Amino acid sequence: QVTLRESGPALVKPTQTLTLTCTLSGFSLSTSEVCVSWIRQPPGKALEWLARIDWDDDKYYSPSLKTRLTISKDTSKNQVVLTMTNMDPVDTATYFCARLLTSIGVEDSWGQGTLVTVSS
Amino acid sequence: DIQMTQSPSTLSASVGDRVIITCRASQSIETWLAWFQQKPGKAPKLLIYKSSSLESGVPSRFSGSGSGTEFTLTISSLQPDDFATYYCQQYSDYRTFGQGSKVEIK
Repeated sequence: QVTLRESGPALVKPTQTLTLTCTLSGFSLSTSEVCVSWIRQPPGKALEWLARIDWDDDKYYSPSLKTRLTISKDTSKNQVVLTMTNMDPVDTATYFCARLLTSIGVEDSWGQGTLVTVSS
Repeated sequence: DIQMTQSPSTLSASVGDRVIITCRASQSIETWLAWFQQKPGKAPKLLIYKSSSLESGVPSRFSGSGSGTEFTLTISSLQPDDFATYYCQQYSDYRTFGQGSKVEIK
């Protein structure tokens, strides 16, 4: 069974760096054509794609956020980590990680999401 | 950036109705379009990819069509479980989501 689980702080202060971890189960990021994306959703608003990392360590970032984002993977732990610097209250959102298979090109399995609030 | 515009933003419908949601891209994305369903407090669920390919396990009452800049998601006969918000996503150039279309009970 494919599952993804996001973890990280529920509350961060403005200007701090957010670090989120996505733990994968039922599949491996060392398998060819497997990728993981991060997507966020502010309360009551639409989805916003953030970043993606591929099995071969290729990385892609949202052009509007690329200066603040870093995505990495730890294959031995089957985890993907996203860091976002200089957090602001507008970054308050539920953050999702999701599996992407290049065979279909889109995110087919999602984690439940983790709500991050940015407030002093 | 490719912008995605969905219409309507909200739709009131009854069980059994045929529902059509439209998504327009700001430039051609060929058929690199997906549709997701999201219920309150839950993660999005993939319904359709590559404009018209039905994801495994998704009921056949859902269908997608379109290419270039105009796309539609059709629910042939709305069921109680279908009341939700629907998002289109382009994956021609990075990824962009539409603003969502909420299907409400009439």
